[in-house]
Amino acid sequence: DTAVSQTPKYLVTQMGNDKSIKCEQNLGHDTMYWYKQDSKKFLKIMFSYNNKELIINETVPNRFSPKSPDKAHLNLHINSLELGDSAVYFCASSLRVVHGYEQYFGPGTRLTVT
Amino acid sequence: KQEVTQIPAALSVPEGENLVLNCSFTDSAIYNLQWFRQDPGKGLTSLLLIQSSQREQTSGRLNASLDKSSGRSTLYIAASQPGDSATYLCAAPTGAGNMLTFGGGTRLMVKP
Repeated sequence: DTAVSQTPKYLVTQMGNDKSIKCEQNLGHDTMYWYKQDSKKFLKIMFSYNNKELIINETVPNRFSPKSPDKAHLNLHINSLELGDSAVYFCASSLRVVHGYEQYFGPGTRLTVT
Repeated sequence: KQEVTQIPAALSVPEGENLVLNCSFTDSAIYNLQWFRQDPGKGLTSLLLIQSSQREQTSGRLNASLDKSSGRSTLYIAASQPGDSATYLCAAPTGAGNMLTFGGGTRLMVKP
């Protein structure tokens, strides 16, 4: 039944490692997103992905890369993890990429880098 | 560049009060504005989406208004309940890709 799901819910890893977070939506939406919520609870957009078109927020380091095997999935790969990457990462989706469509969020993945 | 601000950052009220949460944005050329609720340690739940052509949107005890010309939106919660305690976030699409810019949130506590 879950509309937008993410795995894992918690991820603890060491600096320098490479990790992935998976996201799946069963809403039939065209567009998916990744957001980062930092320790101060502030949410920032990282990526928008629609039909193989990737729009990147300019502040996102190139260690972060989204990968979409199909329209229902958008995974987030992070290389060479740093302490500052510790945050909660949220996946979201909307029916279309154009403005005006509601976004639905997943439950989040809490990443801790030690 | 769109900037979204929410005031107050925190609010504590007794049960039963009507309250208003404020959201302001700098770029009035928005297509819509979305209000979310976030419970501690949880994801975001969409509460209301107001399109730019609308002035108000209602869902149960919640009413959201949008005034593009002044760059403001408000979320009105009627007859507040302890179960309304959460962080409320507003967000507006910015730039290409329908990406949302979020405000810092208002942390609401409703005391029994």
